[in-house]
Amino acid sequence: QVQLVESGGGVVQPGGSLRLSCAASGFTFSTYGMHWVRQAPGRGLEWVAVVWYDGTSIYYADSVKGRFTISRDNSKNTLYLQMNSLRADDTAVYYCARRRAAGRAPFDYWGQGTLVTVSS
Amino acid sequence: DIQVTQSPSTLSASVGDRVTITCRASQTISTWLAWYQQKPGEAPKLLIYEASTLESGVPSRFSGSGSGTEFTLTISSLQPDDFATYYCQQYSSYSLWTFGQGTKVEIK
Repeated sequence: QVQLVESGGGVVQPGGSLRLSCAASGFTFSTYGMHWVRQAPGRGLEWVAVVWYDGTSIYYADSVKGRFTISRDNSKNTLYLQMNSLRADDTAVYYCARRRAAGRAPFDYWGQGTLVTVSS
Repeated sequence: DIQVTQSPSTLSASVGDRVTITCRASQTISTWLAWYQQKPGEAPKLLIYEASTLESGVPSRFSGSGSGTEFTLTISSLQPDDFATYYCQQYSSYSLWTFGQGTKVEIK
């Protein structure tokens, strides 16, 4: 069965860095676009970034552009999110999610999330 | 950028009630809209995609409708397991995905 397992969250000081990972299993990872979505405590869902199945296209939300880098290693079935220059408003649960198909498609599988807390 | 606006933000209802949640897009998105359900401490779960297609395994009391800029999610007879927060999401764009603000369905 499809599984997405995030890791790498924790407490970091403002201005610090953190790298999140999302280990995928149960499907052919290299054929799916993958996304990061975050949710601040008590708030709604915010799309963060996407990487195409082959890594050729990458897009970011304006709120993280220039600070976060999404990447993937298809040989390891793993998605990454490198987060630099972290701010208090980056505090959130970060989910990885699979886009069902190429092109316009919903997110059909989500991980359980990993909590990132930016605080001094 | 395409914005999506959901209403209401909170909805109080009783078991057995018919519930409707609305989502409006800032520009036409055809039927590229999904609905998700999220319970506390859990990841979102896909309920409906392409505005009206029920995801496999989702009860038939959930339905979606609309196209262009106006969409609705309807729960025909609210069940205890349905008390949760619901989000719409547009996926018309190839470079920006946006969620509505969410609608919390509470017990009346």
